Amino acid sequence: DSGVTQTPKHLITATGQRVTLRCSPRSGDLSVYWYQQSLDQGLQFLIQYYNGEERAKGNILERFSAQQFPDLHSELNLSSLELGDSALYFCASSARSAGNYGYTFGSGTRLTVV
Amino acid sequence: GENVEQHPSTLSVQEGDSAVIKCTYSDSASNYFPWYKQELGKRPQLIIDIRSNVGEKKDQRIAVTLNKTAKHFSLHITETQPEDSAVYFCAASIGSGSQGNLIFGKGTKLSVKP
Repeated sequence: DSGVTQTPKHLITATGQRVTLRCSPRSGDLSVYWYQQSLDQGLQFLIQYYNGEERAKGNILERFSAQQFPDLHSELNLSSLELGDSALYFCASSARSAGNYGYTFGSGTRLTVV
Repeated sequence: GENVEQHPSTLSVQEGDSAVIKCTYSDSASNYFPWYKQELGKRPQLIIDIRSNVGEKKDQRIAVTLNKTAKHFSLHITETQPEDSAVYFCAASIGSGSQGNLIFGKGTKLSVKP
């Protein structure tokens, strides 16, 4: 157990639907990062939050949004889902700055859009 | 923008041989370089990291080297074993403080044949 908790582990939904993925960071970690990993692909950075505020944005579609709550857990919202959104979605957390400490990944949420 | 190139994309070796994976980065301000191992269907896990003030670091059969002038770093695995089979990702830090982040290479799929 890495200490980063992601729920649900698996999610199957239809095209056009909306889903919410949840992430609880390791205790004491202030930064949360979201990554998308499609089949046989690398880790695509989506978005980063630090202590409730958005800090960096990557290749995140307009249909996707995220937030970090006062208790530091984060949610990634995916709407108007398309078949191509099927992927593993990882959350990672770090104490302060991934540039100094790296980060720890959760076990991921496998999203299947049918 | 910032970029991390990783090669080869696939690598097949015989058990007991050595494996080398190479990465180059573009941001001269990058100062932290972790390597992650991802087994099939699992989360990426940190296996070794190196900071810019160090040229080489070893941990048992794994070593990482860094050439800041050339902006490249490498992962070396000696005496490979079948359980080393996985996808390996290199990463380089960008930004600092609460905006610190990691940019990942596209990964190398290592297969160790018994």
